[in-house]
Amino acid sequence: EVQLVESGGGLVQPGGSLRLSCAASGFTFSSYSMNWVRQAPGKGLEWVSYISSSSSTIYYADSVKGRFTISRDNAKNSLYLQMNSLRDEDTAVYYCAREDYGDYVPYFDYWGQGTLVTVSS
Amino acid sequence: EIVLTQSPATLSLSPGERATLSCRASQSVSSYLAWYQQKPGQAPRLLIYDASNRATGIPARFSGSGSGTDFTLTISSLEPEDFAVYYCQQRSNWPRSAFGGGTKVEIK
Repeated sequence: EVQLVESGGGLVQPGGSLRLSCAASGFTFSSYSMNWVRQAPGKGLEWVSYISSSSSTIYYADSVKGRFTISRDNAKNSLYLQMNSLRDEDTAVYYCAREDYGDYVPYFDYWGQGTLVTVSS
Repeated sequence: EIVLTQSPATLSLSPGERATLSCRASQSVSSYLAWYQQKPGQAPRLLIYDASNRATGIPARFSGSGSGTDFTLTISSLEPEDFAVYYCQQRSNWPRSAFGGGTKVEIK
C-alpha cells in the first residue's frame, strides 16, 4: 500500500525556518517525481515545488522561490522541504504528492495527509 | 502564467441530481487537465486525468470532457459521498502545475 506521511509542521515566527519531511513507503520511491502542494486555511490548493526522481530537475512556485528548498534522499525514501524566511502567508497545510498516471504528462495520484505550518508572532 | 477559473464557486444540489462543474483556462492547456475531489480534513483524490480518463477505482458516474480552454466535470447522479470540493489542475507546462479555485458541491 502506497503511503506518504508528512511531519515537521508547527508554529514558527515570521522570518523563521522549518523543515518538512515526507516519508514514503509501499512503492519504489526512487522511481517517482514528487511535489509539495499547500492549502491555506479555508482556501484552495497551491502547487509549491517539484523534484524529479534523481533530483536533477527542480522547480518552484514564484511565491516561494529563493526561500524554500526541495530535496530528497532516495536511500531513506524521504522528501524534504526546507522553508526559510517564513511569512504569514506561508501558513497552510503542506502536502507531499507523488506523480504518476497520464498518457502524456503525470498527475498527482497519491497524497499524504498533510502537516500544518503556522507562521505567527 | 496559466490561470484556471472554476465555476460556480458553490453548487447546491440534492442527491440523485446531476452536477456540472466548469473549469476555464486562460490559455490552451490541450487535454492536460485533471480533476480532484477533496473532503473536509482529507487530502485531495485524483478523479479524472487527461481531461476525460477516470482514475482507478473512480465510479462511472464521474466523467470529464473538454480540451483547449474549456473543461467540464459531470457527476451524473449525486451520491451522498460526492458532496465535497472539486479542483481542476493543469499540467500543460509540466513539471509546473496550477490549480483552479475550486467548486464546492453542497447538499441543497
